[in-house]
Amino acid sequence: SQQGEEDPQALSIQEGENATMNCSYKTSINNLQWYRQNSGRGLVHLILIRSNEREKHSGRLRVTLDTSKKSSSLLITASRAADTASYFCATDEVGTDKLIFGTGTRLQVFP
Amino acid sequence: KAGVTQTPRYLIKTRGQQVTLSCSPISGHRSVSWYQQTPGQGLQFLFEYFSETQRNKGNFPGRFSGRQFSNSRSEMNVSTLELGDSALYLCASSENRLANYGYTFGSGTRLTVV
Repeated sequence: SQQGEEDPQALSIQEGENATMNCSYKTSINNLQWYRQNSGRGLVHLILIRSNEREKHSGRLRVTLDTSKKSSSLLITASRAADTASYFCATDEVGTDKLIFGTGTRLQVFP
Repeated sequence: KAGVTQTPRYLIKTRGQQVTLSCSPISGHRSVSWYQQTPGQGLQFLFEYFSETQRNKGNFPGRFSGRQFSNSRSEMNVSTLELGDSALYLCASSENRLANYGYTFGSGTRLTVV
């Protein structure tokens, strides 16, 4: 079964707006990762945040992690049409070294 | 540096047949993981191989198997195919088992069972 649940399932915004996606998970983790997938192709690693970190930035991406609430959020600022894709969180479970993916958020950015 | 290569890209098989998918990881990466992606179930973990040994296995029937060779290339095999096995099969590689730096995925093999 999947570890993470993402919210919302789908998100539509205009270029220039910010997009926020949330991920909740169930067990203790070593780290949480975010991936992007375009049109059913392979996933691309975006950013990794370790369990002892609370916030991380990479370009237009900002990720937060709240281990007490077992949740994370991904913020994409100043979105572009090229950001249109599905976004997945993935958790590295403690003790298993197994990367488990969430259900994903489909982001549509309109020009 | 070449990425993760999966072959073939597309495959059509008949129920009851078997299929073998191949994955060549990034040079130097010793961990290879396989995932099945379907619209209904999302991304499901199949198994992980490291140094030619299966280290982790997901909740899939025994019809799904795999192996890893000494050059880290991996294959997965599905026997007695069922219609529900139609999916995108993704392979991911990482330098080690801890995935501390994220996985690199291949473009996947799209399997259609008819």
